[in-house]
Amino acid sequence: QVQLVESGGGVVQPGRSPRLSCAVSGFTFSNYAMHWVRQAPDKGLEWVAVIWYDGSNKYYADSVKGRFTISRDNSNNTLYLQMNSLRVEDTAVYYCARGVGATTRGSFDIWGQGTMVTVSS
Amino acid sequence: QTVVTQEPSFSVSPGGTVTLTCGLSSGSVSTSYYPSWYQQTPGQAPRTLIYTTNTRSSGVPDRFSGSILGNKAALTITGAQADDESDYYCVLYVGSGIWVFGGGTKLTVL
Repeated sequence: QVQLVESGGGVVQPGRSPRLSCAVSGFTFSNYAMHWVRQAPDKGLEWVAVIWYDGSNKYYADSVKGRFTISRDNSNNTLYLQMNSLRVEDTAVYYCARGVGATTRGSFDIWGQGTMVTVSS
Repeated sequence: QTVVTQEPSFSVSPGGTVTLTCGLSSGSVSTSYYPSWYQQTPGQAPRTLIYTTNTRSSGVPDRFSGSILGNKAALTITGAQADDESDYYCVLYVGSGIWVFGGGTKLTVL
């Protein structure tokens, strides 16, 4: 069945640069855009970034632009989020989600269970 | 900066019908915004209900429906059940590759 499994979360110090991964199975990964969405404790959902099916286009929320980088490895069915210059306000559960379609103009339909990132000194 | 608006809270009686809305701080929502709806209970990942205005996600009962009502996107739940008590989020495509979530609606069934 379709499955998305995030990893790489944990407690990190401000300014550090962890990388999140999202391993997918059960569908043809290279046919779909992929997104990252986050949720701070007791807050709403916040869209973070999207990457097209072939990695040719990437878009970011203003809150992470210039600090986070989304990428993908279609040969290994894995999505990544490189997080640089982390701030306390980046503390959140990070979800990967499959796009509806190959590019940006379809939202997201399948979600992972999320990985918690806590930024604290 | 685009702000997506949702009712902070709503209440519905069991068996009743409720319509949650998703608007823009400036302008009208149309199908070009690809409005989508998600349900989330505490501690759980979001569940997709509706995408691209009115396409029901796999396994979602037809009690849930999406539409455009006036200048907003809408999620209608008919025959509300106790386990519909959740947070509901909409998201809109605002152009240039960017998506924006609304603040969410906390639905109470009582």
